[in-house]
Amino acid sequence: KQEVTQIPAALSVPEGENLVLNCSFTDSAIYNLQWFRQDPGKGLTSLLLIQSSQREQTSGRLNASLDKSSGRSTLYIAASQPGDSATYLCAAVGSSASKIIFGSGTRLSIRP
Amino acid sequence: DAGVIQSPRHEVTEMGQEVTLRCKPISGHDYLFWYRQTMMRGLELLIYFNNNVPIDDSGMPEDRFSAKMPNASFSTLKIQPSEPRDSAVYFCASSPGTGGYGYTFGSGTRLTVV
Repeated sequence: KQEVTQIPAALSVPEGENLVLNCSFTDSAIYNLQWFRQDPGKGLTSLLLIQSSQREQTSGRLNASLDKSSGRSTLYIAASQPGDSATYLCAAVGSSASKIIFGSGTRLSIRP
Repeated sequence: DAGVIQSPRHEVTEMGQEVTLRCKPISGHDYLFWYRQTMMRGLELLIYFNNNVPIDDSGMPEDRFSAKMPNASFSTLKIQPSEPRDSAVYFCASSPGTGGYGYTFGSGTRLTVV
């Protein structure tokens, strides 16, 4: 059974810093891995999707990497801004490509 | 498209009452998912449908929970009878296919059972 873990549960950094959020998963036989953003009182929005055959994906100031052999993914945020404050969840899609299993998220706060 | 629409946004009910949550997926999306989010357990998949047919309900916590999808544009999640530990935010999501592509979440229903 796939389990997805995110550490730390919360992170606070000053504006302008580069930061890395971590995600680990137990079953390396994944179809793909996604990073989502959740704002308070809202649903989740997909940020980046990495295919199992890929090593990384980039969108603007965001870069996500995937290392299936070690069961790890990271989300790198460059030049953080207060608007980046949100909860970030990673999610693994199993090899059957049908179900997404979510981590519990990292609550990120960017201090002005 | 207006996205995935859930109603109500907030629901407060007394223990023992029946609760029905509603979801309208994005038109053309063949998959519909119901999730529950709590501080303790995070985001849990309860059940998902493909072309209106329930495929995996292994996440449904108890027989008190039931879900239906009578047509491609409507799904319900029912809790009967409700208990305080059911208090959570319930999300509906839809996607055009498998693999997590185009996964779109609704804004959720915050359920409080007192």
